[in-house]
Amino acid sequence: QQQVKQSPQSLIVQKGGISIINCAYENTAFDYFPWYQQFPGKGPALLIAIRPDVSEKKEGRFTISFNKSAKQFSLHIMDSQPGDSATYFCAATSQTGANNLFFGTGTRLTVIP
Amino acid sequence: DAGITQSPRHKVTETGTPVTLRCHQTENHRYMYWYRQDPGHGLRLIHYSYGVKDTDKGEVSDGYSVSRSKTEDFLLTLESATSSQTSVYFCAISPRRSEKLFFGSGTQLSVL
Repeated sequence: QQQVKQSPQSLIVQKGGISIINCAYENTAFDYFPWYQQFPGKGPALLIAIRPDVSEKKEGRFTISFNKSAKQFSLHIMDSQPGDSATYFCAATSQTGANNLFFGTGTRLTVIP
Repeated sequence: DAGITQSPRHKVTETGTPVTLRCHQTENHRYMYWYRQDPGHGLRLIHYSYGVKDTDKGEVSDGYSVSRSKTEDFLLTLESATSSQTSVYFCAISPRRSEKLFFGSGTQLSVL
């Protein structure tokens, strides 16, 4: 059973547009929600992360929005660039419960010039 | 890649043969992990280690074993490889459990 459900599977966005990737979870014990970015032939790299005590976290053009009551969180990429073309994974874990890190199935983002 | 090296980068083997993948880190991080990546499944944890000789199972541990005899090395062994173990294997390290993982570049394993 997938602990974290991610959508869409693939996304095509024009340069300068906003890319939005959504994730949902069921386990209310989850308290740490990172996003990883992966380029072809490389391992995933931590992009940004959020804890449920805040509803939004922004780092440059990347923003995580978090809705605790709906058990959903999303990644917004503002002013998307061709260099953002990669696969993005959301993930979740319970640090207080010393849980494993569960990943979503990934979203392949293509930003066209 | 944050001082983490996986070897080999590519391997082709036959069903039933043993295979060992190696992960070496120079960051002195306590936690080390082995994940496999498959289309439609994302990344799934196979085993992890929280110290020398301290390991535990992940989501998909059947058919795999691990060993960590030194802080810097974490080995993944497929005792008898099967075609379902064809995958990309990633090693990761972190200073705290499940937080700020640094991944290696991966090993593409094909079991024929």
